[in-house]
Amino acid sequence: DTAVSQTPKYLVTQMGNDKSIKCEQNLGHDTMYWYKQDSKKFLKIMFSYNNKELIINETVPNRFSPKSPDKAHLNLHINSLELGDSAVYFCASSIRDFDTGELFFGEGSRLTVL
Amino acid sequence: AQSVSQHNHHVILSEAASLELGCNYSYGGTVNLFWYVQYPGQHLQLLLKYFSGDPLVKGIKGFEAEFIKSKFSFNLRKPSVQWSDTAEYFCAVTKNRDDKIIFGKGTRLHILP
Repeated sequence: DTAVSQTPKYLVTQMGNDKSIKCEQNLGHDTMYWYKQDSKKFLKIMFSYNNKELIINETVPNRFSPKSPDKAHLNLHINSLELGDSAVYFCASSIRDFDTGELFFGEGSRLTVL
Repeated sequence: AQSVSQHNHHVILSEAASLELGCNYSYGGTVNLFWYVQYPGQHLQLLLKYFSGDPLVKGIKGFEAEFIKSKFSFNLRKPSVQWSDTAEYFCAVTKNRDDKIIFGKGTRLHILP
C-alpha cells in the first residue's frame, strides 16, 4: 500500500490550459504539503494544510489553488499554465506533532508545459 | 531570512571512498535537522534526523550525521560509499513548533563503480 500517492505521475499540456494533480495519504497524518522541485532539483514549499485548514501559503501565483476536501486529501489545481510551471510537484504529509517533523513524500508528478 | 546551505553541489567519488556532505543553517534557537535522499527517479525519503540528545546521529544504510551547534552545521558522513549511494541528498531544517521545513538546494552524489 502506497502511503502517499499522487496522480497523475506525468502530465504534458499546452500553455494556457488548466490542470489538477491529486494527492492522497493513508497514514492518518493531519498535515499535508505541496512542494515544487525545479529542473535544478531545488525543493520549495508551496502550501501546507493541517486538517483541511491552510496554514502555509508561500509566495505562489494565485493561479495555483490547493483544495483539501478532507485531511487525507490535498489536491492542486493550476489555471492558465505557463512554461515556468514545468517541474516535479511533490505531495507530502506529516504527523501534526512538532517533535517529529518527518515528511513522507509521494512519488512526484512531473508536469511539462509546452 | 532563514536558510539552509549545502556547499557541495555535485560530488563524484569512487566506491569505498569516504563521504562528507556539508550542511549549514541560519536559524537561531532550537532546531530539528534532517537528511533526505532522492534516488534517481524516486521520491524523497528520510535518511536520518536529529531532534535532541546525542549530536551524532546514525541513520539507514550506514549514514551518520553530526550536529555541531556552535557551527550551525549538520554534516552527513559515510565511511565507505557504494555505487547504490548515487542520489541527490537534501539537508532540511525546521524550528520547533513550526510546520515549515526548509530544504537546502541538494547535493548530487555520483559514485563511480
